[in-house]
Amino acid sequence: RKEVEQDPGPFNVPEGATVAFNCTYSNSASQSFFWYRQDCRKEPKLLMSVYSSGNEDGRFTAQLNRASQYISLLIRDSKLSDSATYLCAVRANQGGKLIFGQGTELSVKP
Amino acid sequence: EPEVTQTPSHQVTQMGQEVILRCVPISNHLYFYWYRQILGQKVEFLVSFYNNEISEKSEIFDDQFSVERPDGSNFTLKIRSTKLEDSAMYFCASSLSLPVGTYEQYFGPGTRLTVT
Repeated sequence: RKEVEQDPGPFNVPEGATVAFNCTYSNSASQSFFWYRQDCRKEPKLLMSVYSSGNEDGRFTAQLNRASQYISLLIRDSKLSDSATYLCAVRANQGGKLIFGQGTELSVKP
Repeated sequence: EPEVTQTPSHQVTQMGQEVILRCVPISNHLYFYWYRQILGQKVEFLVSFYNNEISEKSEIFDDQFSVERPDGSNFTLKIRSTKLEDSAMYFCASSLSLPVGTYEQYFGPGTRLTVT
């Protein structure tokens, strides 16, 4: 089983749609969880950390389910500018390495 | 807003040559990392560095690789004898700022290494 696994893409959605990405992780000792966004041939940019209670930042909502070892990202009211690859990342300990999923590509069409 | 910087943005080298990739982490960060991403593949961890020593490394980070923090601002990755399969995007990242600690990792723009 892969350490971090994401929904295969691509997701093609119209502007204004709601889209959800899922990610599962295999190490039950993982402590910290993140969503990054990566534009083509650019660096991963931190979108949001994922907290146990779930968290929201504008149109973006992240959820964590430790029992099922699963995190999710919901994007509401998709914009053209949301088109990118979304990376799930997991860390076992503070200051430790990030383990990334393979990414899910999102394409938002007019 | 402080950011991680990397130089050069693109490096072309011949197989067997040594390359040094340079990074300037965010100034009050304490943990430094190198990752790489082969075209079309996922981002992979190479090495982490804390308190002037390697804290963790992956199996990719073999004897051909080394890291150094030669002064208070730069963090370098050296590949001693490059191979074709070293062609990738190399990202530097840093985390943990004091006094308000956060372990979120911030990435530099990357160096694209092409080995011919």
